[in-house]
Amino acid sequence: GAVVSQHPSRVICKSGTSVKIECRSLDFQATTMFWYRQFPKKSLMLMATSNEGSKATYEQGVEKDKFLINHASLTLSTLTVTSAHPEDSSFYICSARGQGYEKLFFGSGTQLSVL
Amino acid sequence: GNSVTQMEGPVTLSEEAFLTINCTYTATGYPSLFWYVQYPGEGLQLLLKATKADDKGSNKGFEATYRKETTSFHLEKGSVQVSDSAVYFCALSAYNTNAGKSTFGDGTTLTVKP
Repeated sequence: GAVVSQHPSRVICKSGTSVKIECRSLDFQATTMFWYRQFPKKSLMLMATSNEGSKATYEQGVEKDKFLINHASLTLSTLTVTSAHPEDSSFYICSARGQGYEKLFFGSGTQLSVL
Repeated sequence: GNSVTQMEGPVTLSEEAFLTINCTYTATGYPSLFWYVQYPGEGLQLLLKATKADDKGSNKGFEATYRKETTSFHLEKGSVQVSDSAVYFCALSAYNTNAGKSTFGDGTTLTVKP
């Protein structure tokens, strides 16, 4: 089956630094990728939708300048949390979908802890 | 807009007990319905899906039937195991009408005790 690789799985950083999370589709072309944030014991909150080669579409309330999303190729999307603060600590998950597919393939998630 | 409402947890069962996690939805168009499972510290994995009314999705002993008349997609398993302990998410995807976004329920935490 299709595989989505997300790295790193866990990152600890100091307040004010930036963190980049990568999401790669390993065996299919991901025309659309989604980025979610998940708080403990809560559902997934969609942050943004990115289509290859175009600007990401952010959900209401998500700061574009803080959560930079790049989807430069059909196999890679990145989420950069800029000037991270403790309130940005969360579990971030990506998912990917190929052209014509309804099913989402999820990365394994990244636990971000900002000290 | 689209929405998914699923049974609140947590749910705690003994091994070999029968499981039902309720899920109802509202959507425009004709959505596909999914159940995803999330194990601790991991991303979500597709458990099963159904793409049209009366379809039954099944996998690993879990089943769910797409009921258009009751707008439901309840998850069932006849005999749960300790290894089934996880968070279960009901979701819908209306690909042609909603830019491919999926709508997720809030998740139901299942704990199975030996």
